[in-house]
Parts: sequence; structure tokens; C-alpha cells
Amino acid sequence: KAGVTQTPRYLIKTRGQQVTLSCSPISGHRSVSWYQQTPGQGLQFLFEYFSETQRNKGNFPGRFSGRQFSNSRSEMNVSTLELGDSALYLCASSSETGISNEKLFFGSGTQLSVL
Amino acid sequence: GESVGLHLPTLSVQEGDNSIINCAYSNSASDYFIWYKQESGKGPQFIIDIRSNMDKRQGQRVTVLLNKTVKHLSLQIAATQPGDSAVYFCAEDIQGAQKLVFGQGTRLTINP
Repeated sequence: KAGVTQTPRYLIKTRGQQVTLSCSPISGHRSVSWYQQTPGQGLQFLFEYFSETQRNKGNFPGRFSGRQFSNSRSEMNVSTLELGDSALYLCASSSETGISNEKLFFGSGTQLSVL
Repeated sequence: GESVGLHLPTLSVQEGDNSIINCAYSNSASDYFIWYKQESGKGPQFIIDIRSNMDKRQGQRVTVLLNKTVKHLSLQIAATQPGDSAVYFCAEDIQGAQKLVFGQGTRLTINP
């Protein structure tokens, strides 16, 4: 099976702009999670979707949002970008059954730089 | 609160030696633990996992030990190779939470 695919790989934006990142999970996986990775904060959970429903959300401002489509592909959006949003955004998929405690398979991430 | 921490941020070992990476977790409700390896420019790669009803699990050259009494997790890598150089993260999960809490990571360097 193909792995988790994230696009674009790199992105440069300016403050105030918005950005949309895309993730295609492993075929058959219905759960998609998003994480933000920075040198200072490490890997922080953003949100998780299963069958188009958000099941959990991390402690991020409302500028961070996401959605999942019927084919399990997911997008996350960040509006009104701030310098501190510069990070590696990682998508992970898991669980063909939707049960918790399943290992996550990560994509290579989208490196977002906000200038 | 939720936190997963690592005792050492960096670790250097000689090629061929064994390495041990440690991790402490604070949530006694955590029932699933995973170790990930992240190489430069890549996403975290699954290494091995263990559930709270076990105290040891072995994979190929890797062993994870879980001590629930002191809330401690360790990853042992046997006969280290240059390709083992990476940042290693432990992560914990709680049944029903649908999210992983990651530690800050340990950078492992294998010296030739």
C-alpha cells in the first residue's frame, strides 16, 4: 500500500494569509490525525477525524481547522497566519476499524514557513 | 496534566553497542505506548508499541520495557548501526482519546 501522502511538501506564506494543507491516508484507513511539530514544543496534537467527523481537538486557536472527506482524505486550514505558525505539519492515518489505540502512520509533512 | 518526558535529550553510542532511550510518562490512565523514529526530513516512523497489560515486547533489534509502577518506558536498540541515528520519540495514548501525547524526543547519534 502507498503511505500517507501530504501536499505540498514546502510552503512559504506571509503573515495574515491563510493556508490549506492536504493529506491522503493509507488506503482503507478512515482515521486521520494532524500534528504540529516545532523545535520548541515538539509534536502537538491538532485534531483527529474519523468518517468525516472530528472526534478530538487539541489546544489550538480557532484559526486552525480541518475537515475530512468521504474518501478519507483530509485538509487542514490555518487562517490569519502568524509567525509562530511556522512548523512542520504532520498528518497520520490509522485504524481501519476506528478503534483507539492503533498505531499511527505518518506522512513526511508539510514544512510551513510564515514570513 | 498530560506529559511525556525524556530523561536525556541527546545520546551518543559507538556503532555495534547497545543503546537505551528512556521516557517518563505522567498519566496513569495511559494504556498504550509507542516508540517512533524520525530521520531528518521525514515523518515519524513506527518502531514498536506496547500495551499496558505487558511489561516487555521485542522486535527486530529493539525491545521496549514498560514499568507502570514508576510510569517509565524504555527503548533498547541492540547492535546499533549508522542507520539508527535519528530522533526517537515515545508517545502515550489513552483508550478513547484518539490522540497521542509525544515526548520531546532524544537524538541518538551512532559513532563509527
